[in-house]
Amino acid sequence: KQEVTQIPAALSVPEGENLVLNCSFTDSAIYNLQWFRQDPGKGLTSLLLIQSSQREQTSGRLNASLDKSSGRSTLYIAASQPGDSATYLCAVRPEDDYKLSFGAGTTVTVRA
Amino acid sequence: DAMVIQNPRYQVTQFGKPVTLSCSQTLNHNVMYWYQQKSSQAPKLLFHYYDKDFNNEADTPDNFQSRRPNTSFCFLDIRSPGLGDTAMYLCATSRPGNYEQYFGPGTRLTVT
Repeated sequence: KQEVTQIPAALSVPEGENLVLNCSFTDSAIYNLQWFRQDPGKGLTSLLLIQSSQREQTSGRLNASLDKSSGRSTLYIAASQPGDSATYLCAVRPEDDYKLSFGAGTTVTVRA
Repeated sequence: DAMVIQNPRYQVTQFGKPVTLSCSQTLNHNVMYWYQQKSSQAPKLLFHYYDKDFNNEADTPDNFQSRRPNTSFCFLDIRSPGLGDTAMYLCATSRPGNYEQYFGPGTRLTVT
């Protein structure tokens, strides 16, 4: 069974600092990995989807890397802003299914 | 804009009183999912539809039922809610290919 872990559970940084969020998974037989953002009391917003054949994916200030063989993905957020404060979840899709396995998320606070 | 819509956004119900949550989508995706998310936890998949085919997760309580009358709509019925069913309920959709999931804003259910 796929286990997805996100450490740390919470992170607080001053505005302007770069954020580094980690995601690890136990089974490397994945098809893709999605990073989501969740604001308090809201649904999930897809940030980036990275295919297993890709090493990284970029969107604006966001960059996600994937090391499938070691079971790791990292989400980088450059020059953080208070509006980046949210919970960030990663989820992996296995090769033989279309259901996602989620991590519990990292809650980020960016201090002005 | 194509999207996933959930109604109501907030629902309070009494212990044992049936409740129905609804989800609609304009993405024309053939897969729809229902998740339960409790505070500070990862979303937990309850069931999903692939077209009309219903797929129940093994640990989803019998108290939870679902209906999908057409491609656009999906309902979650909780027949006799317990206090432990207080949670955020998330609907998501995806389509064949990369199965990237798109989430609605969620319904926050409180059972009193």
